[in-house]
Amino acid sequence: KNQVEQSPQSLIILEGKNCTLQCNYTVSPFSNLRWYKQDTGRGPVSLTIMTFSENTKSNGRYTATLDADTKQSSLHITASQLSDSASYICVVSSLNTDKLIFGTGTRLQVFP
Amino acid sequence: EPEVTQTPSHQVTQMGQEVILRCVPISNHLYFYWYRQILGQKVEFLVSFYNNEISEKSEIFDDQFSVERPDGSNFTLKIRSTKLEDSAMYFCASSEQGGGRGYTFGSGTRLTVV
Repeated sequence: KNQVEQSPQSLIILEGKNCTLQCNYTVSPFSNLRWYKQDTGRGPVSLTIMTFSENTKSNGRYTATLDADTKQSSLHITASQLSDSASYICVVSSLNTDKLIFGTGTRLQVFP
Repeated sequence: EPEVTQTPSHQVTQMGQEVILRCVPISNHLYFYWYRQILGQKVEFLVSFYNNEISEKSEIFDDQFSVERPDGSNFTLKIRSTKLEDSAMYFCASSEQGGGRGYTFGSGTRLTVV
């Protein structure tokens, strides 16, 4: 069954600190993996998208990695800011389908 | 930057009533989607729509749901007889190309069934 699992479920860090969020997936055949940021009550906003051949992708202070062999991805946030407080969702798509398979997300809270 | 627009942002309806959720996708996009997120749960795929017909749907998308592109710009989700468990955030999305690429999500409609 196609699934996306994330850890940790929630995370609290101090402003300025770095953090890394993890994603494991069993989606096959794999097409691409993306990380979304979702503020409470809002729609998901894309941070990065990676295909099978890409190992890393950066977007400002966000850096995503992908290991297609072990089916793992991570999202590293550098020098966190209060505005980074949100849910971060790992989303995978499979070949031959348009639908996205969402993980349960990691809820990040950044405190001053 | 182009946006996917959803209206209303919040809808309250009585159980058994019909509701229509509206979406205006990005103008040059050809693929349209509805997803939902029950409070505290992950986002789930409902349906995809291309070339004026449903291309894929999930088991959630049963006979009480329907989608329509009535006028070439709007994309609607109709729930015929709402149930309490239909309470959720409903997200519309569109993409220029299929295959799970280039998605843009709207801000969602919060549906509350009482």
